[in-house]
Amino acid sequence: QLQLQESGPGLVKPSETLSLTCTVSGGSISSSSYYWGWIRQPPGKGLEWIGSIYYSGSTYYNPSLKSRVTISVDTSKNQFSLKLSSVTAADTAVYYCARLYVTVTHWGQGTLVTVSS
Amino acid sequence: EIVLTQSPATLSLSPGERATLSCRASQSVSSYLAWYQQKPGQAPRLLIYDASNRATGIPARFSGSGSGTDFTLTISSLEPEDFAVYYCQQRSNWLFTFGPGTKVDIK
Repeated sequence: QLQLQESGPGLVKPSETLSLTCTVSGGSISSSSYYWGWIRQPPGKGLEWIGSIYYSGSTYYNPSLKSRVTISVDTSKNQFSLKLSSVTAADTAVYYCARLYVTVTHWGQGTLVTVSS
Repeated sequence: EIVLTQSPATLSLSPGERATLSCRASQSVSSYLAWYQQKPGQAPRLLIYDASNRATGIPARFSGSGSGTDFTLTISSLEPEDFAVYYCQQRSNWLFTFGPGTKVDIK
């Protein structure tokens, strides 16, 4: 069955760039109809959609984060990635990668990223 | 951007009771609304899509209703494993938003 797994540093310094990769297994990232994306959840708070990408490279971003976010895809590796620049403590969260359509159909297990010096 | 609000923030009930959760959208989302359940330390799980369709493997005690701007998730008789946080979510023009969540806890 389809599985998604996040990877990347768990600690990032303020003002630096957060980088995460999601590896998809059990299915192709080039599947039509689906987007692939990132959702985050600060400790004890709710869910926030960050952005989504289609295998062709078409992207959509949360307007509140758009200036700092880049999502890219590597179909040869069946992976997609997130870069969030100029991070602050407010960016500390569990970051989930996901497959999206009208709903979030599949979630990764999530990875905690802490922003601290 | 469509804003989703959920009420109540917390619902304190006993096992066996009926739970009624509300989600309101700032503008019409037609029937494109989903509900998720999240337990501590876990990723959310899809319960309901398109306002009223249960996702695969979801028990019949979960039901969704509504259209336009007002939606309801009903749990007909709470089981011990149903105490969790519930989020609604919509997609409009490929932009996703989530509601702030309703926590269902044990009374």
